[in-house]
This record gives sequence, structure tokens and C-alpha cells, in this order.
Amino acid sequence: GAVVSQHPSWVICKSGTSVKIECRSLDFQATTMFWYRQFPKQSLMLMATSNEGSKATYEQGVEKDKFLINHASLTLSTLTVTSAHPEDSSFYICSASHLTGGDVQPQHFGDGTRLSIL
Amino acid sequence: GQNIDQPTEMTATEGAIVQINCTYQTSGFNGLFWYQQHAGEAPTFLSYNVLDGLEEKGRFSSFLSRSKGYSYLLLKELQMKDSASYLCAVRDGDYKLSFGAGTTVTVRA
Repeated sequence: GAVVSQHPSWVICKSGTSVKIECRSLDFQATTMFWYRQFPKQSLMLMATSNEGSKATYEQGVEKDKFLINHASLTLSTLTVTSAHPEDSSFYICSASHLTGGDVQPQHFGDGTRLSIL
Repeated sequence: GQNIDQPTEMTATEGAIVQINCTYQTSGFNGLFWYQQHAGEAPTFLSYNVLDGLEEKGRFSSFLSRSKGYSYLLLKELQMKDSASYLCAVRDGDYKLSFGAGTTVTVRA
């Protein structure tokens, strides 16, 4: 089945640090990758949609200069949280989907990255 | 935007059947998805419906009625490991997923 790898799984760092999270599709070419954020006891909130070779599309209220997304290839997307602050502490999850037979398949999620900013 | 409603929590006994309902209002529709999420982990894909009707995958089944904006996830022969949050998600015309708040299912022995 479709496998999505996300790294790192846990980050603890000081306020002001920039943190990069990688998302890789291991056994398929991801036409689109998505980045979500989830606060405790809340549902997943879509932050941005990333298409290979083009600029990411950010959801309303998400600062594109703070959350930099790069989708350099069909198997890799990165999210960089720049100058992170304690309020950025959250569970960040990526997902990827691909086309098969002209149909967009279900999104499969990476294992998530728990980010804690001190 | 999307409006997705599902119950907050449900409790059932091991071996029983649980039905989790989900209603939605959406701009454009490209499928309804069910995910399982254990605490501290990422969601795991369970089932999806694009057309009306029932999709069965082992102990899990999902049903969709597009005209009613309604879906349910049926969990049969409940096991303790099924205790988790179950997320209903709708894919819109731009292929973006919007998630409901999740239903926490607790399975008792």
C-alpha cells in the first residue's frame, strides 16, 4: 500500500529556531502533498496544499512567510517553520495522494511530527 | 467551506457493533473518507465512498448517501484495539480534505 514517511517524528527546540520537516512518498509519485496541524483534542486543520514544481496554496489565516513549503520533486515536500515560538507547538502531519486510472486516490498520512518550542 | 458533524464520543462493549454517523455540507464533492487515529499518532485510512451505497472492508463498512449529505462507519466485532478517534473527512471540488472533529470510541471489556 501507499507509504508516506515523515521526519523527524519529534522536535524540541528553543524559541526563535527554524525547524524543517520532511515528507516523502516511498512507493508512489505524489502529485499533491498536504500539510496539516493538529492541536490537542482537536481535529486536523489543513495548512497548505503543495503541488510539485509550483507554489503552495495556503489556507486562510496561515502565514506563508512563517510556514515555508517546498515541493521539489514528486516524492518530497518540506515544511519549514521559521523563527518558531511556543504557540507554534503542535502536531504537524503531512499527507500525499496520487492519480491512478484517472482517479485521485485517498490521502495517506505520514506519522506526524510533534513540535515543542520552549 | 465545509461543515462536517459527527458525535463526540461513543462507548460500546467488546464484540458489539458501533455505527458512527457523519453529516456534511460541502461545496463540491469528490469523496467521503474515514480515518482512524490513536492518541498521539497520525490518522490511518480506513475506507472511502465516492458513489452512494455500502463499501465493506473486513470488520469495517462505510455507507454514503450524497443526496442526504450523510455517511456512517460501521465497526463490527469490536476489539479493544478499536478504541480510538474516528475521523470523517470530505474531499471537495479542489481535492482538499476537510475533517470533522472526530468521534472517540471507547471499547469496554
